Amino acid sequence: SQELEQSPQSLIVQEGKNLTINCTSSKTLYGLYWYKQKYGEGLIFLMMLQKGGEEKSHEKITAKLDEKKQQSSLHITASQPSHAGIYLCGADMGTDKLIFGTGTRLQVFP
Amino acid sequence: NAGVTQTPKFQVLKTGQSMTLQCAQDMNHEYMSWYRQDPGMGLRLIHYSVGAGITDQGEVPNGYNVSRSTTEDFPLRLLSAAPSQTSVYFCASSYRTPSAYNEQFFGPGTRLTVL
Repeated sequence: SQELEQSPQSLIVQEGKNLTINCTSSKTLYGLYWYKQKYGEGLIFLMMLQKGGEEKSHEKITAKLDEKKQQSSLHITASQPSHAGIYLCGADMGTDKLIFGTGTRLQVFP
Repeated sequence: NAGVTQTPKFQVLKTGQSMTLQCAQDMNHEYMSWYRQDPGMGLRLIHYSVGAGITDQGEVPNGYNVSRSTTEDFPLRLLSAAPSQTSVYFCASSYRTPSAYNEQFFGPGTRLTVL
């Protein structure tokens, strides 16, 4: 959806490196969800954010929703091959719909 | 709990054929939705339902019909398949609407090819 843009579209990093994926909305975000998808499989829920400035972490993955609630970032520390996949942000913009970004394809090489 | 189940996993259709993609959940979720995923496009919302008997259109509803006669089932019907409908289809469910700040559970997907 053009309402929700993810960057970069693709990312190739060496194992052990840190990386950041961004999700930017043209509208206020009332809720922001991060999912991971392994190639050819379904979506795995990572975390959800609601409040401006909120930050959550799970293992080596940290996500934050900015104060203005129009952008979220997902940061992976010391990447591993198991982090490879497609990362998708999904946004609640005050409707009953969950709209997704275009996804970021992450590859981690040894 | 089986979670969200989808059948079939794979399907090949000829242009003009009709078919129904099945989706069921056993978590007593009120909210269900259908997405399609195309390369480089992320997930796009086709239709969604906030409860039995209630459905609404998403971003790309043309060529698809849905109904929600029970809480558990949310089938997606392709009326007359077209090559542009070749995609991977995901069904999702949650206890309440996304605005209620709750996790969406996704099915494993149906890979559809229209020749």
